[in-house]
Amino acid sequence: EVQLLESGGGLVQPGGSLRLSCAASGFTFSSYAMSWVRQAPGKGLEWVSAISGSGGNTYYADSVKGRFTISRDNSKNTLYLQMNSLGAEDTAIYYCAKANPNSSGWYWGQGTLVTVSS
Amino acid sequence: EIVLTQSPGTLSLSPGERATLSCRASQSVSSTYLAWYQQKPGQAPRLLIYGASSRATGIPDRFSGSGSGTDFTLTISRLEPEDFAVYYCQQYGSPPFTFGPGTKVDIK
Repeated sequence: EVQLLESGGGLVQPGGSLRLSCAASGFTFSSYAMSWVRQAPGKGLEWVSAISGSGGNTYYADSVKGRFTISRDNSKNTLYLQMNSLGAEDTAIYYCAKANPNSSGWYWGQGTLVTVSS
Repeated sequence: EIVLTQSPGTLSLSPGERATLSCRASQSVSSTYLAWYQQKPGQAPRLLIYGASSRATGIPDRFSGSGSGTDFTLTISRLEPEDFAVYYCQQYGSPPFTFGPGTKVDIK
């Protein structure tokens, strides 16, 4: 059974940093692209970043480019999101998502809440 | 960037009625990479439809997807009480991946 478990969320001050993790199990982690998607309170879904299975290709939304870094450790079956220079606009639930085989949509974790506030 | 627009913003219907949700793209989207998700309060999004018209595993056949190019539709043939939720379309062909703003289906 595919499982994605996010962690690392919490309360951080404006300008601060946080690193999110997503522990994956139930599939061959290195074979699948992964993404981070966020959802601000009461708002819709916003794609944040993606990374290829090997980690060699990374992509970012303009809203986080230069501040966030996506990475993965295929030996640990774990996806990361390093978030720097955080602002109130980054307050959201952050979900990790796995690209399903044969382009058959995405599978999502349960999310971790990041709150940026003084 | 492909912008997705969903209509209506809110759909007020009764159980047993038919729901028709629209997703329009600012440029052509390959049908292979158009998905629909359902989200209930406090829960992660759940994949309903991928490839514009293929139901995900375990999704009841009252959910169906159609469309091509820039116009896509999610239809719920007869609403069950558990179907009242927010629905998002997504294009996932190439980054930046984008989502529509969502359609809320609530109880009339």
